[in-house]
Amino acid sequence: EAGVAQSPRYKIIEKRQSVAFWCNPISGHATLYWYQQILGQGPKLLIQFQNNGVVDDSQLPKDRFSAERLKGVDSTLKIQPAKLEDSAVYLCASSLVPGTLNTEAFFGQGTRLTVV
Amino acid sequence: GENVEQHPSTLSVQEGDSAVIKCTYSDSASNYFPWYKQELGKRPQLIIDIRSNVGEKKDQRIAVTLNKTAKHFSLHITETQPEDSAVYFCAASYSTLTFGKGTMLLVSP
Repeated sequence: EAGVAQSPRYKIIEKRQSVAFWCNPISGHATLYWYQQILGQGPKLLIQFQNNGVVDDSQLPKDRFSAERLKGVDSTLKIQPAKLEDSAVYLCASSLVPGTLNTEAFFGQGTRLTVV
Repeated sequence: GENVEQHPSTLSVQEGDSAVIKCTYSDSASNYFPWYKQELGKRPQLIIDIRSNVGEKKDQRIAVTLNKTAKHFSLHITETQPEDSAVYFCAASYSTLTFGKGTMLLVSP
């Protein structure tokens, strides 16, 4: 089966610019996660969708980050304006609905963002 | 929300030795505990998981134990090999999936 697709793989922008990342989850996966992974740290959940509804966005810096999953399939994460501390790998993952038997989260390759 | 603590942050062992990584979680509602391996520059990949109705699970050289009362779980790797060198993350899940900060495992030949 096809895995989680993310694009772009790499992005370099200047601070205060905007950037958008795209994710297409595994077909049939209702749950989609966006994680931020700073070098040397564990993935930090930014936002979790179930279908097109938000389950958790408590750690999303809403003054600059936004995300949507309009049709309950692919998703876009946007940063505007970017700060130096946003430099990280942005990982998208998908899974069947948590709480069911098959809850494994499958990760995409990630987008490495460098803000200069 | 859920908080997952992971120790140690780095672990160096000789090839053939065993390695143990420990995690604690805060939300007693969490019922699913996966472990992911992440090699340098690659995506995290699931290596083993355990659910709250099971105390131990083994898959070849890898085993995971869960103590629900104490809210901690551990990853055990026996007969370590150089290719086991990577960063390992524990996670806990009920409605969301929360990760620990990771353990860098280095297996020396």
